[in-house]
Amino acid sequence: GIQVEQSPPDLILQEGANSTLRCNFSDSVNNLQWFHQNPWGQLINLFYIPSGTKQNGRLSATTVATERYSLLYISSSQTTDSGVYFCAVGGAKTSYDKVIFGPGTSLSVIP
Amino acid sequence: GAGVSQSPSNKVTEKGKDVELRCDPISGHTALYWYRQSLGQGLEFLIYFQGNSAPDKSGLPSDRFSAERTGGSVSTLTIQRTQQEDSAVYLCASSERQGLADTQYFGPGTRLTVL
Repeated sequence: GIQVEQSPPDLILQEGANSTLRCNFSDSVNNLQWFHQNPWGQLINLFYIPSGTKQNGRLSATTVATERYSLLYISSSQTTDSGVYFCAVGGAKTSYDKVIFGPGTSLSVIP
Repeated sequence: GAGVSQSPSNKVTEKGKDVELRCDPISGHTALYWYRQSLGQGLEFLIYFQGNSAPDKSGLPSDRFSAERTGGSVSTLTIQRTQQEDSAVYLCASSERQGLADTQYFGPGTRLTVL
């Protein structure tokens, strides 16, 4: 099955700094999503981005499907950005078939 | 409006017992997802309901796991003959429209502990 890697595994940022999180996957995918889990366990769906670039406020994501990676950019980080960021990929466009999550990047933003 | 709710918030059971976990999605949401998160396996997709279509069960780890969604609303995840490796936080999410591009809204989860 598809292998998903995320880097870095852990990241500590000073408030206001920018960061880039990476998701690599081992095979062609038609579904890629980024999620954020806050320190209290609440999960939020950030982006559905099987290809191209999307932006939502201070967050943006780019997926280069042909090169099998996706990047999540966080600009002007805030303490509320702390938590774990997961990417999830799947092979089928029209179903949730075989959705695989990466191990996550744990982000700590310190004031 | 109300978000996704799950019950119970915590469940402790003995190995071999059956458990039922409930998810109330946001009213009007047509898609519903179950995931679980454990220390050993990380985040895993379990099952996906989309409208009135047959559910996508591709993520269920064994035949001890089953799920229903009655009337297109409330969903129940049932685990039969629980094992210690079933211990995890079980998360439910719903989205407004069919299709993967729509934003999923997550519930707070049910923490299951199998002794």
